[in-house]
Amino acid sequence: DQQVKQNSPSLSVQEGRISILNCDYTNSMFDYFLWYKKYPAEGPTFLISISSIKDKNEDGRFTVFLNKSAKHLSLHIVPSQPGDSAVYFCAASASGGGADGLTFGKGTHLIIQP
Amino acid sequence: KAGVTQTPRYLIKTRGQQVTLSCSPISGHRSVSWYQQTPGQGLQFLFEYFSETQRNKGNFPGRFSGRQFSNSRSEMNVSTLELGDSALYLCASSERPAGSGANVLTFGAGSRLTVL
Repeated sequence: DQQVKQNSPSLSVQEGRISILNCDYTNSMFDYFLWYKKYPAEGPTFLISISSIKDKNEDGRFTVFLNKSAKHLSLHIVPSQPGDSAVYFCAASASGGGADGLTFGKGTHLIIQP
Repeated sequence: KAGVTQTPRYLIKTRGQQVTLSCSPISGHRSVSWYQQTPGQGLQFLFEYFSETQRNKGNFPGRFSGRQFSNSRSEMNVSTLELGDSALYLCASSERPAGSGANVLTFGAGSRLTVL
C-alpha cells in the first residue's frame, strides 16, 4: 500500500517556464511534508518543506502548496532552469506516530529542455 | 560540518555472500535511517536507529539488519545476498528521531551494491 504517490514518473518542461510536480498521500496522520531533489550518483538533498498547519511555503524559485482536504501537495519551480533537471521525491512524516520515519514517493524525473 | 559519509561507495558481491555497509552521521546527529533505492520503487525504508536503539523497521526480511554504535555511527548488514538486493543503499541522519515533526533528514551519497 503506497501511502505517498507521485503519479508522473517523468515531466518535461521548457527552460524559463513553470514546473509543477504533484504528490498525493493517503495517510491522514501525515503532518509534515518535504521535497527532495536527487542527481544521479548522489544522495537526495533537501529542497523545501511544509507543515500541515500551512497551505503554502515559498523559498526563492520554489513554492510548495498543500491541500489537506484533497491530501495533495505540489511543488512549483519558477522559472525552471537547466540545473533543475533531476529526480524529485515527495516525502511525508507523522509526528504522532503511525508511520515509519519519512515515507517517500517513487519520484518524478524532471527534464528541463533548453 | 562534514556531511553524512557512507562507505564503501561501490561494491560487487555474489549471491549467497553477505555485506556490511557503514554510515557516519553528521556530528551531533543521533538518528540514522537506512533506505533502499531501486529503479521504479523510490526510497524504501529499512530501519531507523536513535541513540543505539532501533526505533522502526520497514517491511524487509530478516536478512537485513543493522546496528548503531555509541558514537552514532551505524552499520547495516545483508546476509545471504540475492540478485534482487542490488540497489543503492542510502543512509540519512538527523538530530531528532526521523518522524518527529519538522525534522529534515540529511542523506549520504549512498552505497551502490551489485549482486551477481
